[in-house]
Amino acid sequence: LAKTTQPISMDSYEGQEVNITCSHNNIATNDYITWYQQFPSQGPRFIIQGYKTKVTNEVASLFIPADRKSSTLSLPRVSLSDTAVYYCLAHTGGFKTIFGAGTRLFVKA
Amino acid sequence: KAGVTQTPRYLIKTRGQQVTLSCSPISGHRSVSWYQQTPGQGLQFLFEYFSETQRNKGNFPGRFSGRQFSNSRSEMNVSTLELGDSALYLCASSLVVSAKGDTEAFFGQGTRLTVV
Repeated sequence: LAKTTQPISMDSYEGQEVNITCSHNNIATNDYITWYQQFPSQGPRFIIQGYKTKVTNEVASLFIPADRKSSTLSLPRVSLSDTAVYYCLAHTGGFKTIFGAGTRLFVKA
Repeated sequence: KAGVTQTPRYLIKTRGQQVTLSCSPISGHRSVSWYQQTPGQGLQFLFEYFSETQRNKGNFPGRFSGRQFSNSRSEMNVSTLELGDSALYLCASSLVVSAKGDTEAFFGQGTRLTVV
C-alpha cells in the first residue's frame, strides 16, 4: 500500500485557486488516487478520483503526471466553506484503506 | 437514496464497560469498513467486511471486534473500554471491494464515543 505525504496545512483567501500536492512514490501499478474532504465531526466525503493525466468534476480537478509519483488536487475559487481537511489516498475501496494525516486548508475572507 | 447511517450518534460509557455501534450501509452496498478517528492518531483503519466475511483488519487489540449481517448491516463492539478508546468511530460503505482502489467509499456521520 502506497504511503502518501501531503503538507500539514495551507492557508488561502476566498476566490483563489488552491493546489494541494500529494506525494506517493511507491504507488502500485493498479492503484488509483482518491481525494476526500472532511469537516469537523463528520465523515470524509469523496471529492475526486483518477488514475493518470487529468480528471475534472464539478468541484475539483486532479492532475497526475506520467510517473504517477505525485498528484495535485486543484480547487478553483475557494470559499470559506472549503475550510476542511483534505486527504489523499493512493489505494482505496477496500483491503485496508490507509488515510494519511491530511492537509488542513484554512480559507480566509 | 439514503446515505450511510450510524447509530447512536453520541455515546458516553464508563471504563470497563463494553459498547456496540451500528452501521447501515447504502442500499446495495456490500462492503463496510470501520475507522477510528482521534486528534492524535488521525483516521485509523479498524476492519472491513464484505458479504459477512472480515476481509481485512487493522492493528487494533482483540477488544475491538465486528460483524456483518446478511443484509450488509454491520456492528462493531469494543469490550473493556479504556479512556483511550474515546474517539469518533466512522463507518464507510462501498458497492464492491476493489483491489485497484477505484471504488468510492461513502462515510457515515460517525458515532462519538466518550469513555469516562
